Amino acid sequence: QLLESGGGLVQPGGSLRLSCAASGFTFSNYAMSWVRQAPGKGLKWVSGISDSGERTYYADSVKGRFTISRDNSKNTLYLEMNSLRAEDTALYYCAKDSRPYGSSYLDYWGQGSLVTVSA
Amino acid sequence: SYVVSQPPSVSVAPGQTARITCGGNNIGFISVHWYQQHPGQAPLLVIFDDSDRPSGIPERFSGSSSGNTATLTISRVEAGDEADYFCQVWDSSSEQQVFGGGTKLTVL
Repeated sequence: QLLESGGGLVQPGGSLRLSCAASGFTFSNYAMSWVRQAPGKGLKWVSGISDSGERTYYADSVKGRFTISRDNSKNTLYLEMNSLRAEDTALYYCAKDSRPYGSSYLDYWGQGSLVTVSA
Repeated sequence: SYVVSQPPSVSVAPGQTARITCGGNNIGFISVHWYQQHPGQAPLLVIFDDSDRPSGIPERFSGSSSGNTATLTISRVEAGDEADYFCQVWDSSSEQQVFGGGTKLTVL
């Protein structure tokens, strides 16, 4: 199970941190990803992190503004979002990768956490 | 970065076969994965590594990939198959996951 939290309403230029609590599998053995979906739009991959946290990956649209991290002792994935823009408004899904390195399919998804960026 | 394209919509009558395509440069040489998403729900993996099915996914769902096109095929389409479908690949050059724009399957 993947349970996201931390979403909400934030002003443009503001910051927010999303969390994803994982259970039911060995969290430290798998890469994880964040995927977002703007209202009425398709899926957009945001960021990924390897099993150990050594390798991180970002979409061009969030590079330099968002930071992905994980705490394997707490079975929790994070997404620190800074300099938020209106176009970052979306439902943010946490998803488990099927392999350790973050380059494969996403076999389990959370229900999402809504982030709204508006003045 | 790598780009994959899907038709915005596909329509099919119940009992018929739906084919949803995912186009990309030499996509036949990389693994393609497919997700189903019903309104208000999280995506569900239906095909991975071009043609493998996760446990619990009906055999009516199948996949193939060759050349510049990957295809998700849904046989004997049912009303419950009406959903959005997304293809996904890993772009090794940019080290990014890439999703297609999605295809809305309508069951007539």
